[in-house]
Amino acid sequence: EADIYQTPRYLVIGTGKKITLECSQTMGHDKMYWYQQDPGMELHLIHYSYGVNSTEKGDLSSESTVSRIRTEHFPLTLESARPSHTSQYLCASSFSGGSYEQYFGPGTRLTVT
Amino acid sequence: ILNVEQSPQSLHVQEGDSTNFTCSFPSSNFYALHWYRWETAKSPEALFVMTLNGDEKKKGRISATLNTKEGYSYLYIKGSQPEDSATYLCALYSGGGADGLTFGKGTHLIIQP
Repeated sequence: EADIYQTPRYLVIGTGKKITLECSQTMGHDKMYWYQQDPGMELHLIHYSYGVNSTEKGDLSSESTVSRIRTEHFPLTLESARPSHTSQYLCASSFSGGSYEQYFGPGTRLTVT
Repeated sequence: ILNVEQSPQSLHVQEGDSTNFTCSFPSSNFYALHWYRWETAKSPEALFVMTLNGDEKKKGRISATLNTKEGYSYLYIKGSQPEDSATYLCALYSGGGADGLTFGKGTHLIIQP
């Protein structure tokens, strides 16, 4: 069973607030990812990281930012939340030398009012 | 951006019946095809990773096949049970551009007792 955790699981917050979505994994994976899923749509990659101090933008443009100071931790931050940021955010990790398999967290469902 | 198509979008199946659904993808720049099973409020669970044309994988009552030349994969469930109710996601790893998975919208499967 994969050990990847996300907090909070659900968040309802007002417009203009700064929020940080937490993601941690205990598997020692070097690669980590953030995916976003709007209602009725597919998961889209918004950020990824190859390891400590590495961050890259994904296929889908996002106003969020990420950091990777420790191998196990890959938080996502929105400086000023807007209703358009309402979505589900999933974190994943993988081992770069493996079979491309990604392990997912349970997601954070964000609602901005 | 790659396009991964899944059909049908949703499916109601009687308990005990067998079923299958399709994932189609561009056959160029193929590295790996993933199937995930995603239950509401849980983490997506990896079912299969397939890399070779003609690959067939099996896990209990669930199996999958891959045709990279024509760009499709089938997922089969034999003797459906209520616990099979979930969304089944197909995702492509192409190895180019943003280094993550490109997902389809999923097939939402409901098993009726």
